[in-house]
Amino acid sequence: QTVVTQEPSLAVSPGGTVTLTCASSTGAVTSGNFPNWFQQKPGQAPRALIYNTGKKHSWTPARFSGSLLGDKAALTLSNVQPEDEAEYYCLLYFGAAQLVFGGGTRLTVL
Amino acid sequence: QITLKESGPMLVKPTQTLTLTCSFSGFSLNTGSVGVGWIRQPPGKALEWLASIHWNGAERYTPSLQSRLTITKDTSKNQVVLTMTNMDPVDTATYYCAHRHTSHTHRYFDFWGQGILVTVSS
Repeated sequence: QTVVTQEPSLAVSPGGTVTLTCASSTGAVTSGNFPNWFQQKPGQAPRALIYNTGKKHSWTPARFSGSLLGDKAALTLSNVQPEDEAEYYCLLYFGAAQLVFGGGTRLTVL
Repeated sequence: QITLKESGPMLVKPTQTLTLTCSFSGFSLNTGSVGVGWIRQPPGKALEWLASIHWNGAERYTPSLQSRLTITKDTSKNQVVLTMTNMDPVDTATYYCAHRHTSHTHRYFDFWGQGILVTVSS
């Protein structure tokens, strides 16, 4: 059973920068895991932000960026806004048939 | 404009079979690289991918639930149906369907339905 691990919670001040990470129990996360990132606010469906490690959807604000950081996938939020307070989930693909979400990171904007 | 909407019972009894329908517009499941996936989220918990079906009919299931899940598509109706047998209170969750793109170079979910909360209780 593959486990994908994220920080349970992080806090950041408005205007600051924060990096969320996504690790795999099988080893290093690579571009071949096609990391995806989603934002979810209370009572809402998830909203896709990033795919293929660092590609943005047409609606993704420029302050969101994705990358590989060491052996993890990472989502960096720059110039954080109050509306960025949300739960963030990563999704990793393992081969053709297995997709695993991380446990989520609750981001608080202080 | 791509939209998806989940429908089905909001309350099922333990041991019953759940049948959920995802009705979509703005894309065709006859188009290469296109698929639809089902994802669920128990109250206060994380997202969990359940199953996907692709334009070519290929079905994929999460290993832990594979024996209980069946996903089918009706391209003429623009619908995808998920059935889950032997429902248990731990299956209480919001169930989402989402548009999926899968190719050798790109894999992602982009558009999501609003979700449907299914409660399992006697």
